[in-house]
Amino acid sequence: DAGVTQSPTHLIKTRGQQVTLRCSPKSGHDTVSWYQQALGQGPQFIFQYYEEEERQRGNFPDRFSGHQFPNYSSELNVNALLLGDSALYLCASSLVAGIGAGDTQYFGPGTRLTVL
Amino acid sequence: QKEVEQNSGPLSVPEGAIASLNCTYSDRGSQSFFWYRQYSGKSPELIMSIYSNGDKEDGRFTAQLNKASQYVSLLIRDSQPSDSATYLCAVTRSNTGKLIFGQGTTLQVKP
Repeated sequence: DAGVTQSPTHLIKTRGQQVTLRCSPKSGHDTVSWYQQALGQGPQFIFQYYEEEERQRGNFPDRFSGHQFPNYSSELNVNALLLGDSALYLCASSLVAGIGAGDTQYFGPGTRLTVL
Repeated sequence: QKEVEQNSGPLSVPEGAIASLNCTYSDRGSQSFFWYRQYSGKSPELIMSIYSNGDKEDGRFTAQLNKASQYVSLLIRDSQPSDSATYLCAVTRSNTGKLIFGQGTTLQVKP
């Protein structure tokens, strides 16, 4: 049973560039959430995708956008990169099934983004 | 006031002792509560979920929830050096999709 996968593992970009991160959910899951984790902090919710639509969004600027494909995989795009965007970007998958099981999110290994 | 608060630690306990990790939250509408373990440089790994008041045990781990006090805790019995990690508390309103995390508590288990 494949878990959540993310690519790439590491990425180095310069200010002003654009980046795309990819995520494949755990087998059987249909919902993907993205989080940003700065060093020494807990993950911060960016947004969640279900049925190819953004279901909920956290307090992140429009530079952060996403997409979900029919096979449930997802992309996170960040435009006009800032130094402060350097972080571990985590993808989590879940199954929208109501209270309990539907809330449980399983994380992928993350993508470490460094902005120079 | 932060939505989810944890003492950042580090919490240091000797091997074999009980480690007690605490978390408070501000949203009374929260219905689902999770503990994740995160080793340095790795992603969060789910340890426990709890939805009802009381205790829930899984092996050496016990999660405790008190919704009236807006408090959730994690007890680790017979702590091992391999338990040394950062423990993240997360809460959510049911089916909102948004997990709200505390900043995590660093646990050090000394041999």
